[in-house]
Amino acid sequence: SQTIHQWPATLVQPVGSPLSLECTVEGTSNPNLYWYRQAAGRGLQLLFYSVGIGQISSEVPQNLSASRPQDRQFILSSKKLLLSDSGFYLCAWTKARSYGYTFGSGTRLTVV
Amino acid sequence: AQSVTQLGSHVSVSEGALVLLRCNYSSSVPPYLFWYVQYPNQGLQLLLKYTSAATLVKGINGFEAEFKKSETSFHLTKPSAHMSDAAEYFCAVTVPGGADGLTFGKGTHLIIQP
Repeated sequence: SQTIHQWPATLVQPVGSPLSLECTVEGTSNPNLYWYRQAAGRGLQLLFYSVGIGQISSEVPQNLSASRPQDRQFILSSKKLLLSDSGFYLCAWTKARSYGYTFGSGTRLTVV
Repeated sequence: AQSVTQLGSHVSVSEGALVLLRCNYSSSVPPYLFWYVQYPNQGLQLLLKYTSAATLVKGINGFEAEFKKSETSFHLTKPSAHMSDAAEYFCAVTVPGGADGLTFGKGTHLIIQP
């Protein structure tokens, strides 16, 4: 069966520090991968998605970037965190839209 | 572009009562529709989905939803609420083709009164 892993579960980082969140999927190949951010009162915002290695589409301009160095690995990064980067970050995958999207357990990021 | 509107940011029902969470969508082509549930500090779990087959969709935990094209609605129901149903519920939409992600509503917080 397929599983999705996100880590770390929680993270407290100072303003201006770098960020790296990792997401991996097991049990499938060539999934579509997604990063969402859930901020208080703002719902779920799609940040990036990827349909293959090295292919990244950005949905919103921001202080973040994404990379897909391997087929089932999706990384969210920042060189310098801002207070506004705080939130709950969720990774998701799908093989086809009609199957639905499976979400990871999320990373709670607090920038202080 | 697609959009979703969830009516009511908070819904409170008594244990054993009917649960009704409202979702209306906007899409220029036939949509795929989903309901997800989120418990505190957890990811989203798929409850059910509509992908152009039967309009009445049954999901996990006793939930179901009916796709009504004429009303552009996909309301979520459960005949009898349990305390364990207290959570945040999200309606989401996408369309066939392409690879961009789901568009979510703002969510409805379901409160179960004992």
